[in-house]
Amino acid sequence: DAGVIQSPRHEVTEMGQEVTLRCKPISGHNSLFWYRQTMMRGLELLIYFNNNVPIDDSGMPEDRFSAKMPNASFSTLKIQPSEPRDSAVYFCASSPMLPDLAYGIQYFGAGTRLSVL
Amino acid sequence: SQQGEEDPQALSIQEGENATMNCSYKTSINNLQWYRQNSGRGLVHLILIRSNEREKHSGRLRVTLDTSKKSSSLLITASRAADTASYFCATVRETSGSRLTFGEGTQLTVNP
Repeated sequence: DAGVIQSPRHEVTEMGQEVTLRCKPISGHNSLFWYRQTMMRGLELLIYFNNNVPIDDSGMPEDRFSAKMPNASFSTLKIQPSEPRDSAVYFCASSPMLPDLAYGIQYFGAGTRLSVL
Repeated sequence: SQQGEEDPQALSIQEGENATMNCSYKTSINNLQWYRQNSGRGLVHLILIRSNEREKHSGRLRVTLDTSKKSSSLLITASRAADTASYFCATVRETSGSRLTFGEGTQLTVNP
């Protein structure tokens, strides 16, 4: 199993540009999570999906952020327009749905390091 | 806001020594998990302890959970330089389904 795959690994863009981060979860996993990690704020949950449906997007900072999961094998996180304060490492994680839905073990991708100049 | 708070924020020890990290949380939980993050990498799940368990072992790892004090500890025995990483506790609240809430992490440095 290749694990959770994120692309790109690094992204450098200028303020105002659109940024799209991509994630391929582990096959068979039903839940997908997007996190943002910074030194100041630590690891923050932005949004998560169960069976491709957004369940909780309360962590999305503002309307400039949007996430989609068109099918079970692909998700995107888009920032439009990007700002320097969006600079962070963005992680995608997936989790299998077990009989005990609260089990919650997550498998993380390697992350995308975003720098907005 | 973060559910968990780790203590200490940073820990530096010599190879072969034991490392103990603590985590406190605020609400009732279904389970508590520990993750490791090497520099520049994603988080990796280490061990899970359910709310009705008090202690769990996995190799050189020992986790305890005290739900009355809302706290957990992670002990790494006979540490190695390769254990150098950040360690995070994460809780699954009773009402949150599969959602994890992470603490701020402990940076462990094991000196050879």
